[in-house]
Amino acid sequence: KQEVTQIPAALSVPEGENLVLNCSFTDSAIYNLQWFRQDPGKGLTSLLLIQSSQREQTSGRLNASLDKSSGRSTLYIAASQPGDSATYLCAVMSSGSARQLTFGSGTQLTVLP
Amino acid sequence: GAVVSQHPSRVICKSGTSVKIECRSLDFQATTMFWYRQFPKQSLMLMATSNEGSKATYEQGVEKDKFLINHASLTLSTLTVTSAHPEDSSFYICSASPWGYREEKLFFGSGTQLSVL
Repeated sequence: KQEVTQIPAALSVPEGENLVLNCSFTDSAIYNLQWFRQDPGKGLTSLLLIQSSQREQTSGRLNASLDKSSGRSTLYIAASQPGDSATYLCAVMSSGSARQLTFGSGTQLTVLP
Repeated sequence: GAVVSQHPSRVICKSGTSVKIECRSLDFQATTMFWYRQFPKQSLMLMATSNEGSKATYEQGVEKDKFLINHASLTLSTLTVTSAHPEDSSFYICSASPWGYREEKLFFGSGTQLSVL
């Protein structure tokens, strides 16, 4: 059974800092990996999706990497802003899972002005 | 991108009542939709997979008689929490993917916060 772990559980940084969020998964037989943003009491916003054959994806100040063999992914946020404050979730779609996602417990990010 | 609409966004009800949550794919057809539940400070857990025209598939530990799922059309799935109790208070969210979508990307509704008094 796939398990997804995110470290750290919470992170507080001053505005302008670059930061890295970590995600690890136990079963490397994955179809893709997604990073989501969740604001309090709200739904999910998809940030980046990395296919199993890809190594990284970039969107603006965000860069996500994937090392499938070691079961790790990182989300890099450059020049953080207070508006980046949210919970970031990593989710894995396992091969043969019929599109089901397994989520990590998230990293709660606070960017201080 | 594809849009998934979920209603209502917030429900407050008395213990013992039933609550229906709707999940609609607005601009695509979805033969499969997924229902997740999120307790405070925890991550999303898959509850069930909703299949158009057939019975839903429930994850271990999820009571199918309590959480009734109906996927009557290619654009609508409903989750009914029957005889809700305070322990059912949670954030419920649905997701769907356009059939044949190349990236197998899932799109999520905005979620429903259920509070049972």
